[in-house]
Amino acid sequence: GQNIDQPTEMTATEGAIVQINCTYQTSGFNGLFWYQQHAGEAPTFLSYNVLDGLEEKGRFSSFLSRSKGYSYLLLKELQMKDSASYLCAPRSGGSYIPTFGRGTSLIVHP
Amino acid sequence: NAGVTQTPKFQVLKTGQSMTLQCTQDMNHNYMYWYRQDPGMGLKLIYYSVGAGITDKGEVPNGYNVSRSTTEDFPLRLELAAPSQTSVYFCASSYSGGGGTEAFFGQGTRLTVV
Repeated sequence: GQNIDQPTEMTATEGAIVQINCTYQTSGFNGLFWYQQHAGEAPTFLSYNVLDGLEEKGRFSSFLSRSKGYSYLLLKELQMKDSASYLCAPRSGGSYIPTFGRGTSLIVHP
Repeated sequence: NAGVTQTPKFQVLKTGQSMTLQCTQDMNHNYMYWYRQDPGMGLKLIYYSVGAGITDKGEVPNGYNVSRSTTEDFPLRLELAAPSQTSVYFCASSYSGGGGTEAFFGQGTRLTVV
């Protein structure tokens, strides 16, 4: 089985930087996804990490430490439209099926 | 550019009724999934398929059935709907399994069982 832990809710100010942490325990780890989900909508893919280190993609970056079972999503220059839920989804080897955490609801205020 | 299409978008059922949630994808993906999402919760895997003719149970399969007769279609069947099945259902698909092959999601079916 998998155990995924993320903060339930975070708030931040427009223009700021926020880091959303995710810890996980999974057998046969085979990569970790981050998805964004706006209220009432489907999740959309943000990033994928399989090796240790930082992956940067525009305003969003994702970090992975396999030995610590830890990942974070870093959002820079926050915009109001970044208000959404962010889902951490580690994947176990063999099945290649991502398992989703509860998600972190991010509220960006002016 | 259809991607993953789910129908219907909204549905109200009475307890004990049956229905099928439809899902089709046009990306030639071999993996397909059904998740449910309850308020404030993450996505829980109901069933998945790694190719036509192959299906397997996920974390919460009880009360549901699936079939995968073609690559494109992966319908989810509720035989005897119960209020506990009130949820938002998402169908998703991805290509093979290796690498950073992300899942693409349909827009969801909001199901209420009364």
